[in-house]
Amino acid sequence: DQQVKQNSPSLSVQEGRISILNCDYTNSMFDYFLWYKKYPAEGPTFLISISSIKDKNEDGRFTVFLNKSAKHLSLHIVPSQPGDSAVYFCAASAMAGTYKYIFGTGTRLKVLA
Amino acid sequence: GAGVSQSPSNKVTEKGKDVELRCDPISGHTALYWYRQSLGQGLEFLIYFQGNSAPDKSGLPSDRFSAERTGGSVSTLTIQRTQQEDSAVYLCASSPQGESYEQYFGPGTRLTVT
Repeated sequence: DQQVKQNSPSLSVQEGRISILNCDYTNSMFDYFLWYKKYPAEGPTFLISISSIKDKNEDGRFTVFLNKSAKHLSLHIVPSQPGDSAVYFCAASAMAGTYKYIFGTGTRLKVLA
Repeated sequence: GAGVSQSPSNKVTEKGKDVELRCDPISGHTALYWYRQSLGQGLEFLIYFQGNSAPDKSGLPSDRFSAERTGGSVSTLTIQRTQQEDSAVYLCASSPQGESYEQYFGPGTRLTVT
């Protein structure tokens, strides 16, 4: 049973608009969350993280929002650029500073020029 | 600088054969991890190395799977008597020191067992 779910396998967004990628989790013990980005034929690269003491973390065009009561997090990309086209994975863990994250299945984002 | 490299990039093997997958981490990275991603699944943790020792092998799915790391650098993941359910992309990652969520991933090896 998937503890971390990305229910949208794909998403298309026009360049310059906002991309919103969603992630839901089932384990209320999860306190640490990551987003990774993956280009074709490359390994995933770390994008942004958030811990449960915050409900928002921002890094340039990327913002992650966490709603612990809803067990939901989302990644916002504003403005979206064609180079953002990739597969985005969310991941969750119950332990700080750990490598043992549960990953979602990914959402393929396509930003249209 | 050079990132994590993996070889081969693709491997097709017959059921029952053994395969070896190789990972070259970033130079100086002491921690190394193996994951796999099966079709329609998220990344699944397999094993973690700190230096040459593996304090966490909890993700290896069966005793057909083994891994070693030599010289604190190159790692080999071996799958014996491959089964069709072993078909997946096998990813290796490294991090500079100790356990870390900020890992640098290689491009993966796509294994297909026919």
